[in-house]
Amino acid sequence: AQSVTQPDIHITVSEGASLELRCNYSYGATPYLFWYVQSPGQGLQLLLKYFSGDTLVQGIKGFEAEFKRSQSSFNLRKPSVHWSDAAEYFCAVGRSNFGNEKLTFGTGTRLTIIP
Amino acid sequence: GAVVSQHPSRVICKSGTSVKIECRSLDFQATTMFWYRQFPKKSLMLMATSNEGSKATYEQGVEKDKFLINHASLTLSTLTVTSAHPEDSSFYICSALRAFNEQFFGPGTRLTVL
Repeated sequence: AQSVTQPDIHITVSEGASLELRCNYSYGATPYLFWYVQSPGQGLQLLLKYFSGDTLVQGIKGFEAEFKRSQSSFNLRKPSVHWSDAAEYFCAVGRSNFGNEKLTFGTGTRLTIIP
Repeated sequence: GAVVSQHPSRVICKSGTSVKIECRSLDFQATTMFWYRQFPKKSLMLMATSNEGSKATYEQGVEKDKFLINHASLTLSTLTVTSAHPEDSSFYICSALRAFNEQFFGPGTRLTVL
């Protein structure tokens, strides 16, 4: 069975500083990996996804993530955070079968931005 | 981008009543939609997979008679929480599958059962 671990429950970063959110996955085949962001009381917005190809993936809002198969990781990065980045971030893994693509989510990392 | 809506965004009901939540894909057809439940400060838990024209597939531990799902058209899936109790209070989120592994999420429905 697939699983996702986000080891950091809460991270606080100063505005303008760099950010890295960790994500480790467990899956027997080639994973399909996602990062979503959720603002308070809102649904999820897709930041980026990895299916295949270049292991460094660019997303929206200046985010990027790097797939490292050897480490079973898909960490999210941003070189300079903005106050509007404060939110909950979820890493997810999807099955590599076509159709009915169930996602397994990590427990999330809450990001706080301080001035 | 693809848009998924949910209605209502917030609902308060009395214990023992039933509540229906709608999930609509506004600009694409979705043969598959998913229903998730999110507890405070917790991850999303997949409840069921909703397939247009067929019965929903429930995850282990989810009571299908409690959480009725109907996917009557390619743009609408409904979740009905029957005989709601306070422990059913939660944030319910749906998603619609537009293409291979491309899910779009609704804004969620906050259910409070008194």
